[in-house]
Amino acid sequence: GESVGLHLPTLSVQEGDNSIINCAYSNSASDYFIWYKQESGKGPQFIIDIRSNMDKRQGQRVTVLLNKTVKHLSLQIAATQPGDSAVYFCAEKDYGQNFVFGPGTRLSVLP
Amino acid sequence: DTEVTQTPKHLVMGMTNKKSLKCEQHMGHRAMYWYKQKAKKPPELMFVYSYEKLSINESVPSRFSPECPNSSLLNLHLHALQPEDSALYLCASSQQGVHEQYFGPGTRLTVT
Repeated sequence: GESVGLHLPTLSVQEGDNSIINCAYSNSASDYFIWYKQESGKGPQFIIDIRSNMDKRQGQRVTVLLNKTVKHLSLQIAATQPGDSAVYFCAEKDYGQNFVFGPGTRLSVLP
Repeated sequence: DTEVTQTPKHLVMGMTNKKSLKCEQHMGHRAMYWYKQKAKKPPELMFVYSYEKLSINESVPSRFSPECPNSSLLNLHLHALQPEDSALYLCASSQQGVHEQYFGPGTRLTVT
């Protein structure tokens, strides 16, 4: 399940299940939306992106969905593995070089 | 080589010290970025260099001074910092006009 509070929101899933991480964005003028994975002690790592004129994009085991009507972005991870445990950030980019990151969600994969 | 390197990994400095953080990439990227990340928070953009010219400065205090000596190097000069500046400082690079950023591992800065 998912918990939100004073700490980073956490999503706990069983190994092998699918994960869905959600993100709300604020800027209607954002051109690209990007998902990053940040493991402990490391910098963020690019996972997948989607342009504002698309509503779905698939990668290897990951799918990003974009709903511009409600300004919502989601990242779906299929067959979640222990190595997927990390903090996931969505980010939005405008037509310049300005990247704004969302608050992040910690994904915890249970054995 | 798809790596962004940052030195030092850790830095402890007093409020009267002057220090510098260094970032290097050899991917031919012409956009380089500095971010600040506090614990359990997302990275916050501080500076963007595009073709070695400062293009975005997100209202960062003047005690942080960026420098881009060439297309592979990015420095962040620190002077008279405050304890609340303690954070992880991340460097990233990307192809110009491309949004896939490559991040370094960061420098963990503690201001005493």
